[in-house]
Amino acid sequence: DVKVTQSSRYLVKRTGEKVFLECVQDMDHENMFWYRQDPGLGLRLIYFSYDVKMKEKGDIPEGYSVSREKKERFSLILESASTNQTSMYLCASSLWGETGADTQYFGPGTRLTVL
Amino acid sequence: GENVEQHPSTLSVQEGDSAVIKCTYSDSASNYFPWYKQELGKRPQLIIDIRSNVGEKKDQRIAVTLNKTAKHFSLHITETQPEDSAVYFCAASTSEYGNKLVFGAGTILRVKS
Repeated sequence: DVKVTQSSRYLVKRTGEKVFLECVQDMDHENMFWYRQDPGLGLRLIYFSYDVKMKEKGDIPEGYSVSREKKERFSLILESASTNQTSMYLCASSLWGETGADTQYFGPGTRLTVL
Repeated sequence: GENVEQHPSTLSVQEGDSAVIKCTYSDSASNYFPWYKQELGKRPQLIIDIRSNVGEKKDQRIAVTLNKTAKHFSLHITETQPEDSAVYFCAASTSEYGNKLVFGAGTILRVKS
């Protein structure tokens, strides 16, 4: 079974703090993703990575950065947290299949509140 | 870039009835269309997917249809059960590196018993 874990289920931070969210997968997947989920907006892609040290901006990268130093670990960084970054953050990973896109497996999510 | 629209945003059905959720996409290069189910407080999980070389796919009570010409695809759930109550997300992807998915806004399905 694919396992995607995230460092925290709940996190409360203050405005201006630097926040680190970590994601680890145990299935040797090439691709890893960070989404935020807000009611009525679905899942919006923040950043993704298709290989170690590679990163690509998603649809809403402003205010975020990422790091992928090892294949199994993908970190999301909020450089200076703001209240509009209060959200559910979901990590996912997938193989790069022979026919292209493949199933994304999600972590349990981190509910971040910025006060 | 790709844009995926999903309708309806909420859907209530009686147990045993069918439910249909529809999505449209904008990028004609998209060729992979998964559906995810997210139960309350849980992570999204893939329930069915379809690739652009196929028009329909079934898995027990769940089916997905794809119309490439009209750029829309639909999820059909027959004989709905209370455990089908969840949020359903459609998504679309091309074959670019990283298989980036663009998700619809989601449909809250309530099955009333």
